[in-house]
Amino acid sequence: QQQVKQSPQSLIVQKGGISIINCAYENTAFDYFPWYQQFPGKGPALLIAIRPDVSEKKEGRFTISFNKSAKQFSLHIMDSQPGDSATYFCAASDHGGETSGSRLTFGEGTQLTVNP
Amino acid sequence: DAGVTQSPTHLIKTRGQQVTLRCSPKSGHDTVSWYQQALGQGPQFIFQYYEEEERQRGNFPDRFSGHQFPNYSSELNVNALLLGDSALYLCASSFGVRGGYTFGSGTRLTVV
Repeated sequence: QQQVKQSPQSLIVQKGGISIINCAYENTAFDYFPWYQQFPGKGPALLIAIRPDVSEKKEGRFTISFNKSAKQFSLHIMDSQPGDSATYFCAASDHGGETSGSRLTFGEGTQLTVNP
Repeated sequence: DAGVTQSPTHLIKTRGQQVTLRCSPKSGHDTVSWYQQALGQGPQFIFQYYEEEERQRGNFPDRFSGHQFPNYSSELNVNALLLGDSALYLCASSFGVRGGYTFGSGTRLTVV
């Protein structure tokens, strides 16, 4: 059962535009929501993450918006650049402990292309 | 400061064979998690090791097993390989089970 749904599957944006990727989750035990960027042949790299006690977090050109009641969160990339062209994954994790461990549940990914 | 190191980077195995993949965590990290990423999909959690014990396991058959060593490095073993096991296998390390994860570049396994 997929617990994190991501959309769109692919996105094409012009240089300087805003890229928006959306995710929805079902498990209310999730309390950590990271976004990862992955280039071909590389592993995912953490971009930005948020916990549900805040509604928005901004780091440079990247912003996460979080709506706890709707169980949705989104990534906004401002002033998108050709170098941002990559696959983006949202993920979620619950409050695991040292004994029980924890895991990331990933969305299916969004392939972003930023045209020059 | 070396990040997460995985070996080998690529390998090809025959159906029915066994394979061992290796991971050295980032310096200062003590927890290792393994993920399987099929082409065009998001990574799927296999299991997590902390203090040399499997702490949590995803929905993978017993053919998938692992180990963590005292130096925090880890191995992923897959027995009786199936064509469907072809994927990118990612290792992620963290400090503690809930720390921020750092992913390696993965091992691309092809089963023929």
